[in-house]
Amino acid sequence: DQQVKQNSPSLSVQEGRISILNCDYTNSMFDYFLWYKKYPAEGPTFLISISSIKDKNEDGRFTVFLNKSAKHLSLHIVPSQPGDSAVYFCAASQTYNQGGKLIFGQGTELSVKP
Amino acid sequence: NAGVMQNPRHLVRRRGQEARLRCSPMKGHSHVYWYRQLPEEGLKFMVYLQKENIIDESGMPKERFSAEFPKEGPSILRIQQVVRGDSAAYFCASSPEVTQYFGPGTRLTVL
Repeated sequence: DQQVKQNSPSLSVQEGRISILNCDYTNSMFDYFLWYKKYPAEGPTFLISISSIKDKNEDGRFTVFLNKSAKHLSLHIVPSQPGDSAVYFCAASQTYNQGGKLIFGQGTELSVKP
Repeated sequence: NAGVMQNPRHLVRRRGQEARLRCSPMKGHSHVYWYRQLPEEGLKFMVYLQKENIIDESGMPKERFSAEFPKEGPSILRIQQVVRGDSAAYFCASSPEVTQYFGPGTRLTVL
């Protein structure tokens, strides 16, 4: 039972353009969502998060959008840079009664070409 | 402020041996989580601990796996009698409240 899904295993974008990574979830009890970036042989690095009471959160080049009715969130990176090339994971949690354990998607490998 | 520390970074064990993975959370963080990433898969939750307490172990295999977070010292994930299917990357995360910050992981290889 995959509660968090990233349906695109890979994405290729030109440097300077926008990268849009998508994530869908099935559990309406999730109230906190996060995006992590991961390089090979390293741990995930926290990028940005959003609470279910918001529909948008922005931090520099990174913006996360949350559509609760569609159970969908997306990460926008603009402008994309070659150093953004990595695997991106979305994660969701129920913070109020499950201790905040994270449920991860399968990841999307982003490649930003110069 | 040092990040989450994990050691060893790489661990090789033969089938039937024990593996001990250590995690030191970030200073001031009282919540520790362990996740496992099997090849070609996403990260899967294993266990959530606070000092001297296991809060949620719903993701832990029922046998051979155990975890602790003592009052003093790092959190330990222990795998007894390892099998080849235990080969994976094991990540520890710590959190002050909600957002979790991950360590570099321990890559376990079972021969």
